[in-house]
Amino acid sequence: KAGVTQTPRYLIKTRGQQVTLSCSPISGHRSVSWYQQTPGQGLQFLFEYFSETQRNKGNFPGRFSGRQFSNSRSEMNVSTLELGDSALYLCASSLAGTGGSSYGYTFGSGTRLTVV
Amino acid sequence: TQLLEQSPQFLSIQEGENLTVYCNSSSVFSSLQWYRQEPGEGPVLLVTVVTGGEVKKLKRLTFQFGDARKDSSLHITAAQPGDTGLYLCAGVYGNKLVFGAGTILRVKS
Repeated sequence: KAGVTQTPRYLIKTRGQQVTLSCSPISGHRSVSWYQQTPGQGLQFLFEYFSETQRNKGNFPGRFSGRQFSNSRSEMNVSTLELGDSALYLCASSLAGTGGSSYGYTFGSGTRLTVV
Repeated sequence: TQLLEQSPQFLSIQEGENLTVYCNSSSVFSSLQWYRQEPGEGPVLLVTVVTGGEVKKLKRLTFQFGDARKDSSLHITAAQPGDTGLYLCAGVYGNKLVFGAGTILRVKS
């Protein structure tokens, strides 16, 4: 079966711009979570969506937002980009997400965002 | 302070050696997961441990969940260069899947 697809793989943006990242989960998976990964902070939870509803949110400013569509595909948006937003953004798909922790998560390859 | 503390942070060993990576917490988890991540890729799930005291084996990898479900370990026997990567433990806490900082393993041939 197809894995988790994230687009684009690489992105270079200028400070102040906004960016939208996309994630297509595994077919049948209703939970999509987003993570930011940096060398200094590791994997930091951004938010989780389940059946088009945001189920939980991490400690990130309001510039970070997301949504999930009826086909479970998800998008993440970052507005007014800052240099510190440079990171690998990972999307993870799961059958039940935090509602069924024994299932595990399948990650995409990520989007490498560089803000200059 | 990390909810899940991993040790060591970095490990560099020769091919054929054994190693153990630890994941500790003061909190109880209903389950813990182990992932391996290679540069430029997302983490890949290795195993989920659910029952206290549980031991799971995946070829040369042995995973153990502590009796109190607060800690876990990953033991690799006869490490190979292909085992090189970042090993992460993770658990659901407060409706979030939280990760440890990871252990970077480098196996030299």
